[in-house]
Amino acid sequence: SQQGEEDPQALSIQEGENATMNCSYKTSINNLQWYRQNSGRGLVHLILIRSNEREKHSGRLRVTLDTSKKSSSLLITASRAADTASYFCATSEGGANNLFFGTGTRLTVIP
Amino acid sequence: EADIYQTPRYLVIGTGKKITLECSQTMGHDKMYWYQQDPGMELHLIHYSYGVNSTEKGDLSSESTVSRIRTEHFPLTLESARPSHTSQYLCASSESGSYGYTFGSGTRLTVV
Repeated sequence: SQQGEEDPQALSIQEGENATMNCSYKTSINNLQWYRQNSGRGLVHLILIRSNEREKHSGRLRVTLDTSKKSSSLLITASRAADTASYFCATSEGGANNLFFGTGTRLTVIP
Repeated sequence: EADIYQTPRYLVIGTGKKITLECSQTMGHDKMYWYQQDPGMELHLIHYSYGVNSTEKGDLSSESTVSRIRTEHFPLTLESARPSHTSQYLCASSESGSYGYTFGSGTRLTVV
């Protein structure tokens, strides 16, 4: 498998600040996705970036992908207390539709 | 808002009991998945299905079994639960040709 690794493992910021999380993976991918998980709940799909894309935006989210470095970053701008959650990257490779999830970044936004 | 439903939400059972975790989706998705997640940890794929009568084991060895008799239903069964099965079980689905997953809220299982 090629489960990714998120960095940092935990991040604590003040409301209004930007939060940046990084994800590294091991092999070639079709796409990379970011998910959010509130404590004890299921995951919610945030954004998908394909291997031929370098940057994508969705509201306050900005995702970058560098396939040469096998890394991605998720930027949340103007963070809110409600953004407090764990964020996971997930990769899809080859012809398979299965996703491999990273270890997650626990984000805490302090009001 | 969930279009994929998992029941029960919480379950505490004794060792040796047989249990079935239910997962149903109303979106008509062909592909369904079961992940196991310990608190604060990564997700591990334990089973997946690409359609009716199609099931495969995932990357993490599991003593559970699954069935896919109907598109919308993907139950997971443990024949004899053990404390090592204590974990959160997450069900997900996706549409063929599409890559974003929709997750259920999960079942938190505790085996005592």
